[in-house]
Amino acid sequence: QVQLVESGGGVVQPGRSLRLSCAASGFTFSNYGMHWVRQAPGKGLEWVAMISYDGSRKDYVDSVKGRFTISRDNSKNTLFLQMSSLRSEDTAVFYCAKDRGLDYGMEVWGPGTTVTVS
Amino acid sequence: QSALTQPASVSGSPGQSITISCTGTSSDVGAYDYVSWFQHHPGKAPKLMIWDVIVRPSGVSNRFSGSKSGNTASLTISGLQAEDEADYYCSSFTSDSTWVFGGGTKLTVL
Repeated sequence: QVQLVESGGGVVQPGRSLRLSCAASGFTFSNYGMHWVRQAPGKGLEWVAMISYDGSRKDYVDSVKGRFTISRDNSKNTLFLQMSSLRSEDTAVFYCAKDRGLDYGMEVWGPGTTVTVS
Repeated sequence: QSALTQPASVSGSPGQSITISCTGTSSDVGAYDYVSWFQHHPGKAPKLMIWDVIVRPSGVSNRFSGSKSGNTASLTISGLQAEDEADYYCSSFTSDSTWVFGGGTKLTVL
């Protein structure tokens, strides 16, 4: 079955960088778009970024443009989120999610990894 | 990229029906049928309940149904059960080729 497992979260100082990973299994990773979504403490879900199946297209929420970079390695079935110039407001649980297809919406989610900027 | 508008909370007794609204604009909910609903129990992965406004994934109870009129989408849960108690989020594709979520609705089963 489809499985997504995020890793790389932790405590980081403001202004520093962190790279999150999402290991995918149970489906043909290279055929699907992928998303990152976050949830700050006590807040709702916020879509962060999406990457197309082949990595040719990337979209971001305005608040992370220029600071976060989404990427993927289809040979290793892994999604990444490189985060730089981190701010306290980036503190959140970060989820990766598989798209239903090319860019039709999130379908299956991972359990999340926690990032604390402090 | 403003969040879609959902009621902060709704409640109902077991067996009753409730509806959660999700109001956007003509640039998101009103423009596309790419509206999804997710159930989120704190500490767990969100679960897809409805996609493309009305489509229920296999394995999701037929007590869950979706609809849309203009800029507002809705999720209806009939025959409320205790295990339905959770946070519910809508999401929509936008004209910026991005995605936006609603602020979330906490469902309490009385």
